[in-house]
Amino acid sequence: DIQLTQSPSFLSASVGDRVTITCRASQGISSYLAWYQQKPGKAPKLLIYAASTLQSGVPSRFSGSGSGTEFTLTISSLQPEDFATYYCQQLNSYPFFGQGTKLEIK
Amino acid sequence: EVQLVQSGAEVKKPGESLKISCKGSGYSFTSYWIGWVRQMPGKGLEWMGIIYPGDSDTRYSPSFQGQVTISADKSISTAYLQWSSLKASDTAMYYCARQRVVAAGNDAFDIWGQGTMVTVSS
Repeated sequence: DIQLTQSPSFLSASVGDRVTITCRASQGISSYLAWYQQKPGKAPKLLIYAASTLQSGVPSRFSGSGSGTEFTLTISSLQPEDFATYYCQQLNSYPFFGQGTKLEIK
Repeated sequence: EVQLVQSGAEVKKPGESLKISCKGSGYSFTSYWIGWVRQMPGKGLEWMGIIYPGDSDTRYSPSFQGQVTISADKSISTAYLQWSSLKASDTAMYYCARQRVVAAGNDAFDIWGQGTMVTVSS
């Protein structure tokens, strides 16, 4: 099975900061990767699919990049509503999720 | 509006059976794969399996194969997740979600249900 490792697991940042979350796959998955945001008590929300395509309605401050085994989610200027947990998901074989990155307010 | 509406919270005892539901509306239910995702308290997301309601083709994660059954009734646009004998370790939030692309293989989940909390306790 393909494993995903997100880093960091926890991230503390301030409003206005630029932040990057990394997701590494144990083997190449081309661009078969998605990113989700989950807020406490809520269902996850799709942000990005195919590694870099922004889901409709998602603010342009979110961007994704990468292919093969290394991927990044970047938030260009953090807004208060962006503090949440972020998950990557590989879509190659069994579409497992990464372990999550909790983004907290500094 | 495209949406998935899940059944309400459940409290069960170990050994009991349970079937939770996920009703789709606002789109062609038979054309999109529906998946189930588990989230244990304070933990991450776990992909359990998916079903294509058009023909009930079903795929399971190895971790959940034999532990749960995924089914669908296309006549009422509803997918199900069921257990025959619950364990305390099944306590979790369960989400259903729709894959983004019509009839695709693995794809991202673009529409999510609100979640069903299942609590198993003696």
